Amino acid sequence: QSALTQPASVSGSPGQSITISCTGTSSDVGSYNLVSWYQQHPGKAPKLMIYEVSKRPSGVSNRFSGSKSGNTASLTISGLQAEDEADYYCCSYAGSSTSVFGGGTKLTVL
Amino acid sequence: QVQLQESGPGLVKPSQTLSLTCTVSGGSISSGGYYWSWIRQHPGKGLEWIGYIYYSGSTYYNPSLKSRVTISVDTSKNQFSLKLSSVTAADTAVYYCARAGVMLTPIDPWGQGTLVTVSS
Repeated sequence: QSALTQPASVSGSPGQSITISCTGTSSDVGSYNLVSWYQQHPGKAPKLMIYEVSKRPSGVSNRFSGSKSGNTASLTISGLQAEDEADYYCCSYAGSSTSVFGGGTKLTVL
Repeated sequence: QVQLQESGPGLVKPSQTLSLTCTVSGGSISSGGYYWSWIRQHPGKGLEWIGYIYYSGSTYYNPSLKSRVTISVDTSKNQFSLKLSSVTAADTAVYYCARAGVMLTPIDPWGQGTLVTVSS
């Protein structure tokens, strides 16, 4: 299956809100409420931020939220902080015991 | 809480076999309900599934790597392993082990990752 489509980069100023999109197909994002989001700082392992479209693991700031409409999932970060600068990856279940990642989005905090 | 740690050589010669082990602590692989996974990241690139194994031994491999990949589990040592044969420079990457839930989501936790370089 093909990778999910994410913008290569997004940016925002401290305090602002940004949204990262993740576009798939009716075979993955559109068919299952099983989209997760991962934050990755340079040289570090990815960290789970959102799962099942909009659920936040314990310890993740409520500034992070997720949603989905049709074949597109979104990650919104409100009250942007310098520490949010990182790469973000979406991932969706794609059926037949497979899942697919997005290409990643680099978030720059201006 | 559950923690994962990769181990293995950081340098592998072309045409040889890359071998990595992931040691799981704070929980048992045999408890079920999770898929023990290998994911890699080429330098400066995105995340790529290699495959995963269930404690029972059932596996899934990325079709693009299937002919070269073997993932195995040793429940007595609470470890699972990756072997990737006939490596080339294109296999140079950071290799992560991770735990994936039912339906392969969420993927949490992840190991810290280990860089494997393929070079003579």
